[in-house]
Amino acid sequence: NAGVMQNPRHLVRRRGQEARLRCSPMKGHSHVYWYRQLPEEGLKFMVYLQKENIIDESGMPKERFSAEFPKEGPSILRIQQVVRGDSAAYFCASSFGSSYNEQFFGPGTRLTVL
Amino acid sequence: TQLLEQSPQFLSIQEGENLTVYCNSSSVFSSLQWYRQEPGEGPVLLVTVVTGGEVKKLKRLTFQFGDARKDSSLHITAAQPGDTGLYLCAGALVAGGFKTIFGAGTRLFVKA
Repeated sequence: NAGVMQNPRHLVRRRGQEARLRCSPMKGHSHVYWYRQLPEEGLKFMVYLQKENIIDESGMPKERFSAEFPKEGPSILRIQQVVRGDSAAYFCASSFGSSYNEQFFGPGTRLTVL
Repeated sequence: TQLLEQSPQFLSIQEGENLTVYCNSSSVFSSLQWYRQEPGEGPVLLVTVVTGGEVKKLKRLTFQFGDARKDSSLHITAAQPGDTGLYLCAGALVAGGFKTIFGAGTRLFVKA
């Protein structure tokens, strides 16, 4: 039973380019969460999605960032016109139930903006 | 304001020592999770506690949920270098629609 998959594991972009991060939840999970983590810091919540719906985007920057979880396929976190400050590890988690708890994490995507 | 306070923030100990990490809040949680994150990896779920006063053991790790479900502790007996990592607690807020919030973590380093 595969866990949460994220790809790519490492992504390098130049300032102004777009970054697309993908997350496939655990089998049977329909709830996806995205987090951002800076070196030596904890997790910062960004967005919570169910299939085709954004449930909570209170942690998402208002500009340049967007997320989707389509009916088919992985969840996508998209960052447009990346800046150096976007460099971080981005983690996706999934859960089975309708509550927010007991989330299972992927290995993360490390984004470096040159 | 951090709703879930973890302490200590950083802990460096010798192999074989015991330690306790705390996770405190003024809010009530329906459940609480502990995760361990190693460098370059995602957090790995260690345990979920749901009942006030509950104690769970995982080999040398003992987890306790406070009676009022506002706090939790993680005790490690005879720490080993392999225990090194970032320990995160996360709780589902009863008053927040069961939204999960994370503490800032306790960074543990166990020296051989």
